[in-house]
Order: sequence, then C-alpha cells, then structure tokens
Amino acid sequence: DGGITQSPKYLFRKEGQNVTLSCEQNLNHDAMYWYRQDPGQGLRLIYYSQIVNDFQKGDIAEGYSVSREKKESFPLTVTSAQKNPTAFYLCASSIPTGANYGYTFGSGTRLTVV
Amino acid sequence: AQKITQTQPGMFVQEKEAVTLDCTYDTSDPSYGLFWYKQPSSGEMIFLIYQGSYDQQNATEGRYSLNFQKARKSANLVISASQLGDSAMYFCAMRLMNRDDKIIFGKGTRLHILP
Repeated sequence: DGGITQSPKYLFRKEGQNVTLSCEQNLNHDAMYWYRQDPGQGLRLIYYSQIVNDFQKGDIAEGYSVSREKKESFPLTVTSAQKNPTAFYLCASSIPTGANYGYTFGSGTRLTVV
Repeated sequence: AQKITQTQPGMFVQEKEAVTLDCTYDTSDPSYGLFWYKQPSSGEMIFLIYQGSYDQQNATEGRYSLNFQKARKSANLVISASQLGDSAMYFCAMRLMNRDDKIIFGKGTRLHILP
C-alpha cells in the first residue's frame, strides 16, 4: 500500500546535538512538507519542497534544515540552533497544486530534548 | 491573505448526540477546496471530508457532513451520532486552486465525547 513513513516514532536529543527525522513516501507525490505541532496547538509549516532538489522555507524554518535529493525522501534535520525543539513533527505529501487534493500525512515523530 | 478560523478550542458532547465544529475561512480566490482532518491522541492526521468551492451540494462521508455556506464563508463539520472514538483534535483546512500554495490549517478544536 502507498503511504508515508516517518521514523523514528520517538526521538530524544541532547542539548547541542543535531538530529535527523526521516520521511519517505511511495505515493509518487512531487510535493512534501514538514510541520511542527506543539501541545494543544495547530500545525506550523517548517519547510516544503515541490520538486526534487528544490525547497522553500515555511513560517518557522530557523534552526531546521532539509534536503530533497530523491522524490521519495524529505529528511528534516533539527540543528542545535533550534532552541526549543521539543514537539511533534509531521511530514506530509501531495501533488504540488490542486484545490481538490489534500495532504497525506505520516504518523509523526515525537522529539524530546533531554 | 488566506485564513482559517476555528473559534472553539474545546467541546464536550454526550455520546450519540450530533456535534457541529465551526470553521470560517477567508480568501478572495474563487477556486478553493476545504478539508477536515481528525487527529486522535496517537498523532496521525486522518482525512475526513472535502468540499470544493464550486460544489453545489454539501459533502457527506458516512457520519460526517460538511455544512458549506459559501456566502458566509463557513464550512462547519457535522458529526452525527457521536461515538467515544470521535474524541480527538479536528482541523479545518483550505487549499487554493491553480496555485502552488500550501494547505492552510486552522488551530483546531478538541472534541471530547462523554459516555
């Protein structure tokens, strides 16, 4: 079955460490997105990519980095510059345009700073 | 600028009752799609229902229906005969047609179904 796989499900980071969250999709979608969700809050866009080897900053890109070397993969690195990284991270994919096409989401990664 | 507003941060509803979750949107584009997603405590986002701006009839999917009032820019989600498993966070969202825009999400409504 087609879908999006995020790993790991839970991740613990020490102060000053960089960590990378994985997102893989086999839906043949061109566009991929990373969102951050804090407890009881909505989704905030970190980065998005509409085509391989291209990506754009979202609303809260500071302290994060991404790459898009393959259509299927859009990993997110949480760098040490991100001062408050504890949150739930959701990856999504879609076709790049089209009002009648929503997102397919992964199951999320819960990142905690220890 | 496009915007989604969900004014109910939390709701408590008795099991088997119907519940309406409010959503208003703001856009000057004539072509757009409206979505509702459910997020249970496990965290995954589950697509529930879609309504296109040119659709004449309200969308329905099982126990879910979307009360679309275009002139009021309202897209409320109605859940009939609520169940304990409906307890979750619900997000209203909008996407514009023919633009490389991202989906815009509201802040969500947390629904609690009481036994």
